[in-house]
Amino acid sequence: AQSVAQPEDQVNVAEGNPLTVKCTYSVSGNPYLFWYVQYPNRGLQFLLKYITGDNLVKGSYGFEAEFNKSQTSFHLKKPSALVSDSALYFCAVRDGGDYKLSFGAGTTVTVRA
Amino acid sequence: GAVVSQHPSWVICKSGTSVKIECRSLDFQATTMFWYRQFPKQSLMLMATSNEGSKATYEQGVEKDKFLINHASLTLSTLTVTSAHPEDSSFYICSAPLGRPRETQYFGPGTRLLVL
Repeated sequence: AQSVAQPEDQVNVAEGNPLTVKCTYSVSGNPYLFWYVQYPNRGLQFLLKYITGDNLVKGSYGFEAEFNKSQTSFHLKKPSALVSDSALYFCAVRDGGDYKLSFGAGTTVTVRA
Repeated sequence: GAVVSQHPSWVICKSGTSVKIECRSLDFQATTMFWYRQFPKQSLMLMATSNEGSKATYEQGVEKDKFLINHASLTLSTLTVTSAHPEDSSFYICSAPLGRPRETQYFGPGTRLLVL
């Protein structure tokens, strides 16, 4: 079984401030971890992933995430948030041997000008 | 990145009619595609896995006779909502995996279905 927890329904930050969106996971095998962003009435856009290698992963639009095996976390970060980063963010996990993704409940990010 | 398209983006239909939604991988082949359903302000729920050349596999609780899936080619999967009812109104999203070994799922833009 695999699951993802996003403990915060909403994250509010001021433009220019650091942004962090939290994610913890549970998986029986090797975790494949993903972050996606969704804008209103749109599909999901891929931001970044961790499969293996360096624990710090850099992705699109200045986002990065750090894989922490001991804490089973994969938090998404951006050093300086933009108003255009306001969206719904999903963390997802799959077991390395399975294609099925399990999604977290999502975190709504609001960046105020 | 990879592009997945869906058609239509919006559909409004009367109760009892059937609606077909297409999902295409535009610049890559996909022997497997996934169909999800998303309710407002909620996460994605996997409905089924679409397999080219074979039957789809449905998640527990999803009626296969209600949601017909056909994976006719390496770039096209269709979801047909049969005899649609208002409770079928939702946002339907497809995805296709790409990469080695197809580890990243790329999502279509979604189809908003409203059943009156």
